[in-house]
Amino acid sequence: NAGVTQTPKFQVLKTGQSMTLQCAQDMNHNSMYWYRQDPGMGLRLIYYSASEGTTDKGEVPNGYNVSRLNKREFSLRLESAAPSQTSVYFCASSLYSNQPQHFGDGTRLSIL
Amino acid sequence: GQQVMQIPQYQHVQEGEDFTTYCNSSTTLSNIQWYKQRPGGHPVFLIQLVKSGEVKKQKRLTFQFGEAKKNSSLHITATQTTDVGTYFCAENSGGSNYKLTFGKGTLLTVNP
Repeated sequence: NAGVTQTPKFQVLKTGQSMTLQCAQDMNHNSMYWYRQDPGMGLRLIYYSASEGTTDKGEVPNGYNVSRLNKREFSLRLESAAPSQTSVYFCASSLYSNQPQHFGDGTRLSIL
Repeated sequence: GQQVMQIPQYQHVQEGEDFTTYCNSSTTLSNIQWYKQRPGGHPVFLIQLVKSGEVKKQKRLTFQFGEAKKNSSLHITATQTTDVGTYFCAENSGGSNYKLTFGKGTLLTVNP
């Protein structure tokens, strides 16, 4: 029962480098999400995909791009990393977009 | 979008004491979800409330949705050290593409 799998778990980047965070779910969920979590800020939605083939901006999309590769996979890309993007990134999925969400273990990203 | 205000931000209790966290909105919510995040972990879904005045219980946890659907609370009776973590409420924005907006959470610490 893997649920939602995120890779990598940890990453350190230099300012200006690019990186893709991977997320895959094996629950046949239709909706997938990317959040960032910063101290005292709760969880903020970056992008989401309500169903395969669609993506929409969330609360904090600037500096990020996403790809819903297929029903299972939803990746998040940082084209030119900035120190302000240092955060913990969580991927989540739900059967439909008004249903409870299942989260991955997170990726701890530091940008120097 | 809608925002939910969650109070208190922090709560420290002695083991055996009760704990309550509140979630308030200035607008009517379609529904509300509660999540728990253990230190270093990922958010885990606890419950969803949909109906006005709804009350649901899970062992020592009691969840309420206000009559006007503008507020919600989570009450833990006789806290245990296993209750330590951050409790988040999250509201659905409704519309054709539901997405969650999370409160900033209440961090509960329990002194054994």
